[in-house]
Amino acid sequence: GQQVMQIPQYQHVQEGEDFTTYCNSSTTLSNIQWYKQRPGGHPVFLIQLVKSGEVKKQKRLTFQFGEAKKNSSLHITATQTTDVGTYFCAGRVYGQNFVFGPGTRLSVLP
Amino acid sequence: IAGITQAPTSQILAAGRRMTLRCTQDMRHNAMYWYRQDLGLGLRLIHYSNTAGTTGKGEVPDGYSVSRANTDDFPLTLASAVPSQTSVYFCASSVGTGNEQFFGPGTRLTVL
Repeated sequence: GQQVMQIPQYQHVQEGEDFTTYCNSSTTLSNIQWYKQRPGGHPVFLIQLVKSGEVKKQKRLTFQFGEAKKNSSLHITATQTTDVGTYFCAGRVYGQNFVFGPGTRLSVLP
Repeated sequence: IAGITQAPTSQILAAGRRMTLRCTQDMRHNAMYWYRQDLGLGLRLIHYSNTAGTTGKGEVPDGYSVSRANTDDFPLTLASAVPSQTSVYFCASSVGTGNEQFFGPGTRLTVL
């Protein structure tokens, strides 16, 4: 079945440093979503990517969908303590349900 | 109610007992989902419902059942709880399959 992997599993950064998490699917995707979960909280939707090579920005966050639609990345510029949490990607093959990756847990040291 | 709610917030349960986790949304979303979250494994889909009256099995359905009698409610039942079902359970809903999912606050379940 479809598998979604994320690396790294954990990332510790100093406040102000950049951060990137990578998501890879075993199959070609129709769309991919990113979610953020704060410690003790629930996942919150960030963005959805649909087109091959698509790049979307939300303030300091940049999301990219690979040309082959099998991978994606989330890049945070100049991290802040408010960025702490676990970032999940979720990939979908058309007609099927989303499959979530295991997440990347980000900690930001002030 | 605003959004999606779950009950109870947490529960400690003896193995072999029956338990129903409740989920209600007021957004008139067609699709609803149940996930379990375990450390290092992310969110795994247990069961889903694309519309009221229909349900389907996800990645890890064994030991769980669901029903979708109406649009708003999507209860998850553990017929006979086992310790491996200790987890945090999230309910979610979306306008349709393929749309953003809105998650409830979660239920932390411990089976002893």
